[in-house]
Amino acid sequence: EIVLTQSPGTLSLSPGERATLSCRASQSVSSSYLAWYQQKPGQAPRLLIYGASSRATGIPDRFSGSGSGADFTLTISRLEPEDFAVYYCQQSGSSPQTFGQGTKVEIK
Amino acid sequence: QVQLVESGGGVVQPGRSLRLSCAASGFTFSNYGMHWVRQTPGKGLEWVALILYDGSNKYYADSVKGRFTISRDNSKNTLYLQMNSLRAEDTAVYYCAKDRGSGWYAHDFWGQGALVTVSS
Repeated sequence: EIVLTQSPGTLSLSPGERATLSCRASQSVSSSYLAWYQQKPGQAPRLLIYGASSRATGIPDRFSGSGSGADFTLTISRLEPEDFAVYYCQQSGSSPQTFGQGTKVEIK
Repeated sequence: QVQLVESGGGVVQPGRSLRLSCAASGFTFSNYGMHWVRQTPGKGLEWVALILYDGSNKYYADSVKGRFTISRDNSKNTLYLQMNSLRAEDTAVYYCAKDRGSGWYAHDFWGQGALVTVSS
Protein backbone atom coordinates (compact mmCIF):
# COMPACT_ATOMS: atom_id res chain seq x y z
CA GLU A 1 0.00 0.00 0.00
CA ILE A 2 1.26 3.46 -0.90
CA VAL A 3 1.12 5.77 2.10
CA LEU A 4 0.70 9.48 1.40
CA THR A 5 1.91 11.89 4.08
CA GLN A 6 0.73 15.48 3.87
CA SER A 7 2.39 18.41 5.55
CA PRO A 8 1.81 20.56 7.37
CA GLY A 9 -1.25 19.29 9.18
CA THR A 10 -2.56 22.84 9.54
CA LEU A 11 -1.55 25.98 7.69
CA SER A 12 -2.56 29.31 9.22
CA LEU A 13 -2.48 32.10 6.64
CA SER A 14 -4.18 35.36 5.77
CA PRO A 15 -6.20 36.09 2.63
CA GLY A 16 -3.86 37.14 -0.16
CA GLU A 17 -0.98 35.00 1.08
CA ARG A 18 0.55 32.07 -0.77
CA ALA A 19 -0.14 28.51 0.43
CA THR A 20 2.22 25.63 -0.25
CA LEU A 21 0.99 22.13 0.62
CA SER A 22 3.15 19.02 0.44
CA CYS A 23 2.28 15.39 -0.30
CA ARG A 24 4.99 12.76 0.06
CA ALA A 25 4.50 9.16 -1.04
CA SER A 26 6.07 6.07 0.53
CA GLN A 27 7.05 4.96 -2.98
CA SER A 28 7.14 6.51 -6.41
CA VAL A 29 3.78 7.49 -7.93
CA SER A 30 3.29 8.15 -11.61
CA SER A 31 2.23 11.74 -12.09
CA SER A 32 -0.76 10.53 -14.09
CA TYR A 33 -2.27 9.13 -10.92
CA LEU A 34 -1.79 11.95 -8.42
CA ALA A 35 -4.73 14.21 -7.62
CA TRP A 36 -5.66 16.97 -5.18
CA TYR A 37 -9.10 17.61 -3.68
CA GLN A 38 -10.64 20.42 -1.65
CA GLN A 39 -13.28 19.74 0.99
CA LYS A 40 -15.33 22.25 2.93
CA PRO A 41 -17.41 21.37 6.03
CA GLY A 42 -20.57 19.47 5.19
CA GLN A 43 -19.63 19.09 1.53
CA ALA A 44 -18.27 16.34 -0.65
CA PRO A 45 -14.68 16.64 -1.85
CA ARG A 46 -14.11 18.57 -5.07
CA LEU A 47 -11.44 17.67 -7.59
CA LEU A 48 -8.89 20.46 -8.04
CA ILE A 49 -5.89 18.90 -9.77
CA TYR A 50 -5.43 15.64 -11.66
CA GLY A 51 -2.35 14.19 -13.29
CA ALA A 52 -0.29 16.08 -10.69
CA SER A 53 -0.56 19.41 -12.55
CA SER A 54 -3.75 19.65 -14.63
CA ARG A 55 -6.55 21.81 -13.26
CA ALA A 56 -10.02 20.29 -13.26
CA THR A 57 -12.85 22.05 -15.04
CA GLY A 58 -13.75 25.38 -13.47
CA ILE A 59 -10.81 25.52 -11.08
CA PRO A 60 -9.22 29.00 -10.89
CA ASP A 61 -5.65 29.38 -12.07
CA ARG A 62 -4.47 30.42 -8.62
CA PHE A 63 -4.41 26.66 -7.91
CA SER A 64 -1.42 24.81 -9.33
CA GLY A 65 0.09 21.39 -8.83
CA SER A 66 3.62 20.19 -9.37
CA GLY A 67 6.00 17.40 -8.53
CA SER A 68 7.03 13.93 -9.57
CA GLY A 69 8.21 10.63 -8.17
CA ALA A 70 7.37 10.71 -4.47
CA ASP A 71 7.07 14.47 -3.84
CA PHE A 72 4.14 16.57 -4.93
CA THR A 73 3.01 20.10 -4.14
CA LEU A 74 -0.23 22.04 -4.32
CA THR A 75 0.21 25.80 -4.44
CA ILE A 76 -2.49 28.42 -3.99
CA SER A 77 -0.91 31.62 -5.25
CA ARG A 78 -3.14 34.12 -3.43
CA LEU A 79 -5.64 32.83 -0.91
CA GLU A 80 -9.23 33.92 -1.38
CA PRO A 81 -11.75 33.66 1.51
CA GLU A 82 -13.40 30.65 -0.14
CA ASP A 83 -10.09 28.72 -0.24
CA PHE A 84 -10.00 28.07 3.50
CA ALA A 85 -10.74 24.36 3.63
CA VAL A 86 -9.13 20.92 3.95
CA TYR A 87 -7.02 19.63 1.08
CA TYR A 88 -6.28 15.98 0.30
CA CYS A 89 -3.87 14.35 -2.10
CA GLN A 90 -4.68 10.94 -3.59
CA GLN A 91 -2.90 8.29 -5.60
CA SER A 92 -5.08 6.21 -7.89
CA GLY A 93 -2.53 4.17 -9.83
CA SER A 94 -2.39 1.12 -7.61
CA SER A 95 -4.80 -0.73 -5.36
CA PRO A 96 -5.60 0.12 -2.70
CA GLN A 97 -6.00 3.68 -3.86
CA THR A 98 -5.04 5.94 -0.99
CA PHE A 99 -5.55 9.47 0.32
CA GLY A 100 -3.29 11.59 2.44
CA GLN A 101 -4.54 12.58 5.88
CA GLY A 102 -5.28 16.13 4.78
CA THR A 103 -3.97 19.65 5.32
CA LYS A 104 -6.29 22.21 6.84
CA VAL A 105 -5.81 25.74 5.56
CA GLU A 106 -7.23 28.09 8.18
CA ILE A 107 -7.55 31.82 8.49
CA LYS A 108 -4.82 33.36 10.60
CA GLN B 1 -24.82 17.91 -15.83
CA VAL B 2 -23.34 15.01 -13.92
CA GLN B 3 -25.33 13.92 -10.88
CA LEU B 4 -24.64 11.17 -8.38
CA VAL B 5 -27.28 10.51 -5.75
CA GLU B 6 -26.65 8.02 -2.95
CA SER B 7 -29.40 6.31 -1.00
CA GLY B 8 -29.80 3.47 1.48
CA GLY B 9 -27.92 4.87 4.44
CA GLY B 10 -29.22 4.58 7.99
CA VAL B 11 -28.71 3.07 11.41
CA VAL B 12 -27.90 -0.66 11.57
CA GLN B 13 -26.83 -3.01 14.34
CA PRO B 14 -23.36 -4.56 14.38
CA GLY B 15 -23.23 -7.76 12.35
CA ARG B 16 -26.15 -6.79 10.13
CA SER B 17 -26.18 -5.81 6.46
CA LEU B 18 -27.01 -2.72 4.44
CA ARG B 19 -26.98 -1.90 0.73
CA LEU B 20 -26.14 1.53 -0.64
CA SER B 21 -27.19 2.67 -4.10
CA CYS B 22 -25.87 5.48 -6.24
CA ALA B 23 -28.01 6.70 -9.13
CA ALA B 24 -25.96 8.31 -11.88
CA SER B 25 -27.04 10.71 -14.61
CA GLY B 26 -25.60 13.24 -17.02
CA PHE B 27 -22.87 11.02 -18.47
CA THR B 28 -22.45 7.65 -20.16
CA PHE B 29 -22.28 5.53 -17.01
CA SER B 30 -21.00 2.39 -18.73
CA ASN B 31 -17.85 4.19 -19.94
CA TYR B 32 -16.41 5.00 -16.52
CA GLY B 33 -15.03 3.31 -13.44
CA MET B 34 -16.86 4.04 -10.22
CA HIS B 35 -15.71 4.20 -6.62
CA TRP B 36 -16.98 4.21 -3.07
CA VAL B 37 -15.08 6.44 -0.63
CA ARG B 38 -15.96 6.88 3.03
CA GLN B 39 -15.26 9.46 5.69
CA THR B 40 -15.53 8.88 9.40
CA PRO B 41 -17.09 11.91 11.12
CA GLY B 42 -14.38 14.50 11.65
CA LYS B 43 -11.71 12.40 9.99
CA GLY B 44 -10.11 11.96 6.58
CA LEU B 45 -11.08 10.17 3.40
CA GLU B 46 -10.73 6.39 2.98
CA TRP B 47 -11.06 4.76 -0.43
CA VAL B 48 -13.31 1.71 -0.11
CA ALA B 49 -13.81 0.05 -3.49
CA LEU B 50 -13.52 0.37 -7.26
CA ILE B 51 -15.43 -1.30 -10.06
CA LEU B 52 -14.13 -0.94 -13.58
CA TYR B 53 -16.34 0.56 -16.29
CA ASP B 54 -17.58 -2.79 -17.51
CA GLY B 55 -17.78 -4.50 -14.13
CA SER B 56 -15.04 -6.93 -15.13
CA ASN B 57 -12.84 -6.26 -12.14
CA LYS B 58 -13.37 -5.05 -8.60
CA TYR B 59 -10.90 -3.87 -6.00
CA TYR B 60 -11.28 -3.32 -2.26
CA ALA B 61 -9.57 -1.76 0.72
CA ASP B 62 -8.23 -4.39 3.12
CA SER B 63 -10.54 -3.05 5.84
CA VAL B 64 -13.65 -4.17 3.91
CA LYS B 65 -12.40 -7.08 1.81
CA GLY B 66 -14.59 -10.14 2.24
CA ARG B 67 -17.43 -8.12 3.82
CA PHE B 68 -18.33 -5.51 1.20
CA THR B 69 -19.23 -6.08 -2.44
CA ILE B 70 -19.29 -3.38 -5.10
CA SER B 71 -21.45 -3.91 -8.16
CA ARG B 72 -23.08 -1.95 -10.96
CA ASP B 73 -26.05 -2.21 -13.30
CA ASN B 74 -25.14 -0.34 -16.45
CA SER B 75 -28.68 -0.72 -17.78
CA LYS B 76 -29.98 1.21 -14.77
CA ASN B 77 -27.04 3.63 -14.42
CA THR B 78 -26.70 2.56 -10.82
CA LEU B 79 -23.79 1.66 -8.56
CA TYR B 80 -24.19 -0.46 -5.43
CA LEU B 81 -22.31 -1.29 -2.26
CA GLN B 82 -23.48 -4.36 -0.35
CA MET B 83 -22.14 -4.15 3.19
CA ASN B 84 -22.27 -7.29 5.32
CA SER B 85 -21.03 -8.07 8.83
CA LEU B 86 -21.01 -4.38 9.67
CA ARG B 87 -18.83 -3.14 12.50
CA ALA B 88 -18.85 0.05 14.57
CA GLU B 89 -15.76 1.20 12.71
CA ASP B 90 -17.72 1.16 9.44
CA THR B 91 -19.70 4.15 10.70
CA ALA B 92 -19.06 6.88 8.14
CA VAL B 93 -20.42 9.01 5.34
CA TYR B 94 -20.18 6.95 2.16
CA TYR B 95 -19.63 8.80 -1.11
CA CYS B 96 -19.91 7.37 -4.58
CA ALA B 97 -17.53 8.97 -7.04
CA LYS B 98 -17.04 8.86 -10.78
CA ASP B 99 -13.61 8.14 -12.20
CA ARG B 100 -12.21 10.29 -15.00
CA GLY B 101 -11.50 7.09 -16.91
CA SER B 102 -11.72 3.34 -16.59
CA GLY B 103 -11.07 3.34 -12.84
CA TRP B 104 -7.45 4.31 -12.27
CA TYR B 105 -7.71 8.08 -12.41
CA ALA B 106 -8.94 10.99 -10.33
CA HIS B 107 -12.51 11.16 -9.07
CA ASP B 108 -14.06 14.09 -10.90
CA PHE B 109 -17.61 13.98 -9.55
CA TRP B 110 -18.92 12.99 -6.14
CA GLY B 111 -22.33 12.38 -4.65
CA GLN B 112 -23.55 14.20 -1.57
CA GLY B 113 -22.89 11.19 0.65
CA ALA B 114 -24.96 8.70 2.64
CA LEU B 115 -24.50 8.36 6.40
CA VAL B 116 -24.18 4.83 7.74
CA THR B 117 -24.24 4.42 11.51
CA VAL B 118 -23.44 1.03 13.00
CA SER B 119 -24.66 0.91 16.56
CA SER B 120 -26.58 -1.34 18.89
